[in-house]
Amino acid sequence: KAGVTQTPRYLIKTRGQQVTLSCSPISGHRSVSWYQQTPGQGLQFLFEYFSETQRNKGNFPGRFSGRQFSNSRSEMNVSTLELGDSALYLCASSLGLVGEQYFGPGTRLTVT
Amino acid sequence: KNEVEQSPQNLTAQEGEFITINCSYSVGISALHWLQQHPGGGIVSLFMLSSGKKKHGRLIATINIQEKHSSLHITASHPRDSAVYICAVIPNYGGSQGNLIFGKGTKLSVKP
Repeated sequence: KAGVTQTPRYLIKTRGQQVTLSCSPISGHRSVSWYQQTPGQGLQFLFEYFSETQRNKGNFPGRFSGRQFSNSRSEMNVSTLELGDSALYLCASSLGLVGEQYFGPGTRLTVT
Repeated sequence: KNEVEQSPQNLTAQEGEFITINCSYSVGISALHWLQQHPGGGIVSLFMLSSGKKKHGRLIATINIQEKHSSLHITASHPRDSAVYICAVIPNYGGSQGNLIFGKGTKLSVKP
């Protein structure tokens, strides 16, 4: 089975722009979670989606949004980028709401 | 105070040594993950456990729910074990694992 894929892998954006990141889960997995990793804050939870519904949202401003499609693929969007949004964005998929999570390789976003 | 604390933050060992990484948490949980992150960012889930002990090869994870403590042990450590090890808990107020709470990680370096 193919693993979790994320595109793009690297991205450089300018302050004020917006960005969309994509995550394709393992086939058959219905739960997708997104995380942000920075040197200062470590790993932090962004969102969780299950069957196209957002189940949980972390403590991030409204500039961060996401969605899940009927094929379980998920996207997250960050609008009005700030320098502090520079981070590694990871998604993970699992079969159900609680279970082993499989992480993608991440998208490294740099905001200049 | 962080809800998930790991110790030590950094650990240097000689090849062959027995290694222990500790994780303490302050919230009620439904399960706990041990994750491994290599340079470059990729994260692999090593264990998910809610009670007792699990073993996979040279890795052993234990959890004591009453004491809110988990340990990850590596027997006969090897340089390829060098990585950051992250403890993450699923709080039992969320109903799912989407809102994982992460420790700051333990950076392990195993010297040949």
